[in-house]
Amino acid sequence: AQTVTQSQPEMSVQEAETVTLSCTYDTSESDYYLFWYKQPPSRQMILVIRQEAYKQQNATENRFSVNFQKAAKSFSLKISDSQLGDAAMYFCAYRSAFSGGYNKLIFGAGTRLAVHP
Amino acid sequence: DGGITQSPKYLFRKEGQNVTLSCEQNLNHDAMYWYRQDPGQGLRLIYYSQIVNDFQKGDIAEGYSVSREKKESFPLTVTSAQKNPTAFYLCASTSTVYSYEQYFGPGTRLTVT
Repeated sequence: AQTVTQSQPEMSVQEAETVTLSCTYDTSESDYYLFWYKQPPSRQMILVIRQEAYKQQNATENRFSVNFQKAAKSFSLKISDSQLGDAAMYFCAYRSAFSGGYNKLIFGAGTRLAVHP
Repeated sequence: DGGITQSPKYLFRKEGQNVTLSCEQNLNHDAMYWYRQDPGQGLRLIYYSQIVNDFQKGDIAEGYSVSREKKESFPLTVTSAQKNPTAFYLCASTSTVYSYEQYFGPGTRLTVT
């Protein structure tokens, strides 16, 4: 069975600085998707960024980028130029690419990010 | 606007009562999911459904039941058999053809006393 581990329960960053959130996963599959979701105080889950395992290029979405290391099974999220609105819980998630996986997401426990002015 | 609605946002029940959480989507998605979120833990899958009239147990299905009579609706019943029902419940959906992303509803906070 696949597992996702986020080893940092809490992180903090100063406004305008850069922070990196860690995520490791365990799987025997070769094709899958990885996601970072943001959950602000409203508790609405928002997709931040997605990475396909077959792509070597790291995904980027504006100030958010990932460092995907397939061999190491590592998927970290870098937030550049941090803003107060980035304060939230961040969840790393895994999804099998095989149809038998039913598109199920497997989540890590989350990292709470605080942004200080 | 397309999206997922969950109602109510807050729900209070007495122990021993069954309660049904609503989830409706107008995204024309085939697949729908129910997750439970507890403090300090990630989301855990309760039930999921790929098509109408079909659903499968997730990782923590004990004490819960679902139905999928319509494509748009996937209600979750928390039964009295669920030993620790107080939690935040999230519904999600996804297209099985066009999208990799699961779209989430705003959630329902259930408190059982």
